[in-house]
Amino acid sequence: DTGVSQDPRHKITKRGQNVTFRCDPISEHNRLYWYRQTLGQGPEFLTYFQNEAQLEKSRLLSDRFSAERPKGSFSTLEIQRTEQGDSAMYLCASSYSGRKDEQFFGPGTRLTVL
Amino acid sequence: AQSVSQHNHHVILSEAASLELGCNYSYGGTVNLFWYVQYPGQHLQLLLKYFSGDPLVKGIKGFEAEFIKSKFSFNLRKPSVQWSDTAEYFCAVLKAAGNKLTFGGGTRVLVKP
Repeated sequence: DTGVSQDPRHKITKRGQNVTFRCDPISEHNRLYWYRQTLGQGPEFLTYFQNEAQLEKSRLLSDRFSAERPKGSFSTLEIQRTEQGDSAMYLCASSYSGRKDEQFFGPGTRLTVL
Repeated sequence: AQSVSQHNHHVILSEAASLELGCNYSYGGTVNLFWYVQYPGQHLQLLLKYFSGDPLVKGIKGFEAEFIKSKFSFNLRKPSVQWSDTAEYFCAVLKAAGNKLTFGGGTRVLVKP
């Protein structure tokens, strides 16, 4: 399967703990996006990278959230001191900047904060 | 702020019925428009997209959508649905000079056999 992959698929944590998610984009794609989807809503943009540079961050991305893409390939999204309101599906997407409008989505990581 | 509205949260149909899902957006500039579908247990997949040109675009699985600029709308249609079309459908907008998709709230479609 050469699509976007995300790990883990599910994460249950206690409030106050830190969690980290990983996204592996389609190999030839240089753009990588993170979105968050809560129950009954559409995905909301969090941040995106072109290669290793983080070029845009949403106001939704509080100081407790940090994303990296150190080598321009896979990306990690870390949430520190998780809160119950962080419970959501975290989606990763990738695209090729030559056709930036075609974003391919991964299966998501479902986070539950108890 | 830009927003995308999908008029129906839930739609229930019988097989062979026609489907139309509404989508309106609130951005006055040039946009690219998308419909994504999420089948049960699967990830978001692109159904169709509009960039420019013919405002009637055809996608996979017999779906089509019409861009009406004057109404800021991009409604999705299928003349005859199948049970396998049961899914959640999301409209999304990308500003021509932007990088992030703005999604509507989604419409859950249930097709009864």
